[in-house]
Amino acid sequence: KAGVTQTPRYLIKTRGQQVTLSCSPISGHRSVSWYQQTPGQGLQFLFEYFSETQRNKGNFPGRFSGRQFSNSRSEMNVSTLELGDSALYLCASSLETSDYNEQFFGPGTRLTVL
Amino acid sequence: GENVEQHPSTLSVQEGDSAVIKCTYSDSASNYFPWYKQELGKRPQLIIDIRSNVGEKKDQRIAVTLNKTAKHFSLHITETQPEDSAVYFCAASQTDSWGKFQFGAGTQVVVTP
Repeated sequence: KAGVTQTPRYLIKTRGQQVTLSCSPISGHRSVSWYQQTPGQGLQFLFEYFSETQRNKGNFPGRFSGRQFSNSRSEMNVSTLELGDSALYLCASSLETSDYNEQFFGPGTRLTVL
Repeated sequence: GENVEQHPSTLSVQEGDSAVIKCTYSDSASNYFPWYKQELGKRPQLIIDIRSNVGEKKDQRIAVTLNKTAKHFSLHITETQPEDSAVYFCAASQTDSWGKFQFGAGTQVVVTP
């Protein structure tokens, strides 16, 4: 099976702009989670989607939003970009059974806000 | 909400020695604890995990222990090799919050030959 893919891999934006990142999960995985990774902060949970519904949400401002499509592909959007939004954004998909919940990560999208 | 603390932030070991990374969690409802390894420029990958009904789990040179009473779990790497050099993350989640993992801040492990 193909792994989790994310597009684009790199993005450069300026403050105030908005950005959309895309994540394609492993075939058959219905859960997609998004994380922000910055040096020293580890991985911060943004939100998780399952069957097109946001099921869990982290502590990020409303400028961060997401959605999931019927084919389980997910997008996240960041509006009114700030310098502090520069980070590696990782998505992870999961098969989610009662016994098995490994998250498989994508390669990430490196966002730089100037 | 859940909070996961991870120590140390950096760990330098001689090849062949053991490495231990410790994590504590705050939410007693957490019942799944995975460990991820992230090599430079690569995506995090699961190396071992443990569920709350188990106290210890081993996989070759890697082992994880869980103390539910104290709310802490540890990663043990024996006979370290240079390829073990990476950032290691612990995480915690709950059965009814699948998909939401609270990660520790990470431990940079450097194995010197």
